Amino acid sequence: KNEVEQSPQNLTAQEGEFITINCSYSVGISALHWLQQHPGGGIVSLFMLSSGKKKHGRLIATINIQEKHSSLHITASHPRDSAVYICAVRYNDMRFGAGTRLTVKP
Amino acid sequence: DAGVIQSPRHEVTEMGQEVTLRCKPISGHDYLFWYRQTMMRGLELLIYFNNNVPIDDSGMPEDRFSAKMPNASFSTLKIQPSEPRDSAVYFCASSPRTGARNTIYFGEGSWLTVV
Repeated sequence: KNEVEQSPQNLTAQEGEFITINCSYSVGISALHWLQQHPGGGIVSLFMLSSGKKKHGRLIATINIQEKHSSLHITASHPRDSAVYICAVRYNDMRFGAGTRLTVKP
Repeated sequence: DAGVIQSPRHEVTEMGQEVTLRCKPISGHDYLFWYRQTMMRGLELLIYFNNNVPIDDSGMPEDRFSAKMPNASFSTLKIQPSEPRDSAVYFCASSPRTGARNTIYFGEGSWLTVV
């Protein structure tokens, strides 16, 4: 069993829709990262969370340490948000979810 | 700052050849990470350094892989001899002093194909 589980694996949305991607983990962590990987392959770190909630533009990330769960929300989604979103937890090392492939259609 | 710089961006090599991937972290970052990404296994952490010292290399797949960080501004990941199953994208990333409490900055990756 993967220690970091993401859902859904694939997500297709219409432009403007509200998007939620979920991440559950099974180990105690020091931090959780949300990463964005664009079709060209580059990886960008969106958020680093150890508690609570963070917001950056149309992106919101929350984490519930007790429930070992985090969510990434995208409001007013846009085709340029199409990418793979990866949840990663910082344990002694770093463990990655398999990623959620998001496609936003115009 | 130019960000994390990796080279080469793409490499195609024959099985058995030595491959060296290079990384220049962001100046002032004390942590450096090497990751590998494949379709089958996704992203995996291979090794990371703190202040040029390897901290955890448990992700290095086998003895054919080695990584060094001779100074704060340069690291290499070497595969010798290379095999087709090493074909992957190799990412280098760096992070500021407090490591776990800070975000991680990725390079653009080195796309390796071993034929």
